[in-house]
Amino acid sequence: ETGVTQTPRHLVMGMTNKKSLKCEQHLGHNAMYWYKQSAKKPLELMFVYNFKEQTENNSVPSRFSPECPNSSHLFLHLHTLQPEDSALYLCASSPSTGLDSPLHFGNGTRLTVT
Amino acid sequence: DQQVKQNSPSLSVQEGRISILNCDYTNSMFDYFLWYKKYPAEGPTFLISISSIKDKNEDGRFTVFLNKSAKHLSLHIVPSQPGDSAVYFCAASANTGNQFYFGTGTSLTVIP
Repeated sequence: ETGVTQTPRHLVMGMTNKKSLKCEQHLGHNAMYWYKQSAKKPLELMFVYNFKEQTENNSVPSRFSPECPNSSHLFLHLHTLQPEDSALYLCASSPSTGLDSPLHFGNGTRLTVT
Repeated sequence: DQQVKQNSPSLSVQEGRISILNCDYTNSMFDYFLWYKKYPAEGPTFLISISSIKDKNEDGRFTVFLNKSAKHLSLHIVPSQPGDSAVYFCAASANTGNQFYFGTGTSLTVIP
């Protein structure tokens, strides 16, 4: 049990589909993050939320739409994705957005866009 | 351009010996460094960290060394165990920045 739960674990979607990734943290943290991990590339920050407010959008295309209804839940809505968006999508949380404490990651959603 | 680099994609070590994983960075403003461990089908888990005011931090079998002048850090695992087989990521941040920067990872295999 990581304290950060992501669903689904695997997702296959067509380019015209709409789907959502879900993340829930049980650690009482105030900051939540979406990261993308593509093969042979570093983890890439996508979005940051602090106390439900988006504080960072790392130039992510609009076909990725985050939603944070409260400090414990984070969603990533997907629409008209491209095959190159296939990757492992990781959610993380931390006590705050201060960069002096580690992130706690979920197990990720393996996304395949066909 | 990658600010944190792990130039060795893989490393194999005999059980009981020392594993040394290396990480280089380019941004001299980085002042907090972390190592994460990742098993297949799981997310990265935090292993150990070091701030720039130190040059060594130890936690059991794991020791991280920081050489600020060389912009280099390393993770030593002694003695290595088969359960240590995983991908290890280093990461860095600057208190003036807004995110962590990760390396591409080194896959460690500890041979029984």
